Amino acid sequence: QQQVKQSPQSLIVQKGGISIINCAYENTAFDYFPWYQQFPGKGPALLIAIRPDVSEKKEGRFTISFNKSAKQFSLHIMDSQPGDSATYFCAAPGFGNEKLTFGTGTRLTIIP
Amino acid sequence: DTEVTQTPKHLVMGMTNKKSLKCEQHMGHRAMYWYKQKAKKPPELMFVYSYEKLSINESVPSRFSPECPNSSLLNLHLHALQPEDSALYLCASSLVQGATNEKLFFGSGTQLSVL
Repeated sequence: QQQVKQSPQSLIVQKGGISIINCAYENTAFDYFPWYQQFPGKGPALLIAIRPDVSEKKEGRFTISFNKSAKQFSLHIMDSQPGDSATYFCAAPGFGNEKLTFGTGTRLTIIP
Repeated sequence: DTEVTQTPKHLVMGMTNKKSLKCEQHMGHRAMYWYKQKAKKPPELMFVYSYEKLSINESVPSRFSPECPNSSLLNLHLHALQPEDSALYLCASSLVQGATNEKLFFGSGTQLSVL
């Protein structure tokens, strides 16, 4: 069964700084790595996803970097804002393509 | 309409009660999911329905009984739950089932407390 290790567990970043969250996966026959953002009292929402025919994908202030040989991918949030304070989950497909396995989550707090 | 609607938002039930959670989407999605999420933990997959047929059951105890009456509706029937079943229950949908390209749309969940 797929395991996805996510770090750090919690992160405090000053407003305007860069937030970096890392994930490592075991094996997958499929290449699709999404990040979900969850605010308190809400369900997760897809933030950004990458298919590793590219090593990096950028959408606004959010960037995914992917290292296939190391089986690692990371989320960078540039110019972090208080509204980015949330829990972030990475995810990776299992072997059978039928389901995603979520990472353990990172609670991000952006302070003024 | 890109929403997944779950009712009720909160539910308190005793261990002998029978209750149901409801989920609805009108995006034309043919895959629907139930997840369980404990505080400060990731969502854990419970069930997947694909084209109204049960596709995945993650060895969930029989006190949880899913039902997909039609392509827009998903229910989770609860009976004889235990206090450790207290959690946030999330419904999600995607266009079709598949982990490699399908965006999951989550509802806001039902916060369940079992006394």
